[in-house]
Amino acid sequence: AQTVTQSQPEMSVQEAETVTLSCTYDTSESNYYLFWYKQPPSRQMILVIRQEAYKQQNATENRFSVNFQKAAKSFSLKISDSQLGDTAMYFCAFQGGATNKLIFGTGTLLAVQP
Amino acid sequence: DSGVTQTPKHLITATGQRVTLRCSPRSGDLSVYWYQQSLDQGLQFLIQYYNGEERAKGNILERFSAQQFPDLHSELNLSSLELGDSALYFCASSVEGWEYSPLHFGNGTRLTVT
Repeated sequence: AQTVTQSQPEMSVQEAETVTLSCTYDTSESNYYLFWYKQPPSRQMILVIRQEAYKQQNATENRFSVNFQKAAKSFSLKISDSQLGDTAMYFCAFQGGATNKLIFGTGTLLAVQP
Repeated sequence: DSGVTQTPKHLITATGQRVTLRCSPRSGDLSVYWYQQSLDQGLQFLIQYYNGEERAKGNILERFSAQQFPDLHSELNLSSLELGDSALYFCASSVEGWEYSPLHFGNGTRLTVT
């Protein structure tokens, strides 16, 4: 069975600084996808970034980028130039295997301080 | 706006009662997923349907049931409700049921059991 682990329950960063959120996963699948979702206080689930396991190049979306280390089964999210609107819970998620369902980590609560 | 519609937004009911949560997927999406998010916790996968058929089952209690109708909308039925069932229930949809397509989430139904 696949598992996703986020070892940082809470993090804090100053506005305009850079922060990295950690995620590790365990799977025996050779092909899969990894995601970061953002959940602001409104509780919406917003897709931040997606990485395909067979692609070596790390995904980037504006200020958000990932460091995907397949051998180490590590998938960290870097947020550059942090903004107050980045304050949210961030969930790492795995998608692979026989179904399309997402398996989520327990989340990291990020607070961006002015 | 993800295109996934969940109703109602809020639901308050008493222990022992039964409720039905409704989800309309994005236009063109064939697969529907239900997740439960209890207070300050991650998202737990409940069940997945693809084109009317159950595809995957997670940690769904026997008191809970779901179905996907011919028009592709889905309903999650929760019966004999307990205080611990209070949670945010998310529906998500995707185009395919097994080809690693991204999940798009609705805004959730907040269920409070008193």
